[in-house]
Amino acid sequence: GAGVSQSPSNKVTEKGKDVELRCDPISGHTALYWYRQSLGQGLEFLIYFQGNSAPDKSGLPSDRFSAERTGGSVSTLTIQRTQQEDSAVYLCASSSGQGPKNIQYFGAGTRLSVL
Amino acid sequence: SQKIEQNSEALNIQEGKTATLTCNYTNYSPAYLQWYRQDPGRGPVFLLLIRENEKEKRKERLKVTFDTTLKQSLFHITASQPADSATYLCALGAGGSQGNLIFGKGTKLSVKP
Repeated sequence: GAGVSQSPSNKVTEKGKDVELRCDPISGHTALYWYRQSLGQGLEFLIYFQGNSAPDKSGLPSDRFSAERTGGSVSTLTIQRTQQEDSAVYLCASSSGQGPKNIQYFGAGTRLSVL
Repeated sequence: SQKIEQNSEALNIQEGKTATLTCNYTNYSPAYLQWYRQDPGRGPVFLLLIRENEKEKRKERLKVTFDTTLKQSLFHITASQPADSATYLCALGAGGSQGNLIFGKGTKLSVKP
């Protein structure tokens, strides 16, 4: 596609439920990132995929959070047993190369609300 | 721990003036520094990248400086317009293949007509 696509754009769930957030990166981009942005806060790095390498999971806040990337393209971020503090905008980005010299292209995000 | 500070949460200026946004960092030696623009309800959009060995980078009405001694970057928008109103984020990255960027909280710029 022309840009990074995220779905759903909004998700409302009840505390304790599991949610899955999807990201379709720009075609051909080998690197994919997930960030979390809470109200009034900066972007918090969650996880980074690069090609076939093991993902960098150093930013995941707890073991309730996991992500996978199938076939080097689409990625799914899963949050199990959601808590109210998980409410935030989850942003996905992709880039054509490895490392911070590369521009990141962001999707519009998924706004998650945990009631 | 690594820390990035954007000097103000909000900046209000008059149309036509130059907006100057500041990004300071501590406990870090970035090889790259990027600036992004974020509009409400949207993801950030890349504006400029500057390397540690570059002092200044320009793009149209935008100018970025990078002072590794002061550990500071300045982002300037000349001849500002109401359409420049947005939140501006700075982001730092290490050298090599470390993929993730560290983002500041952003400065919300409002340009009044």
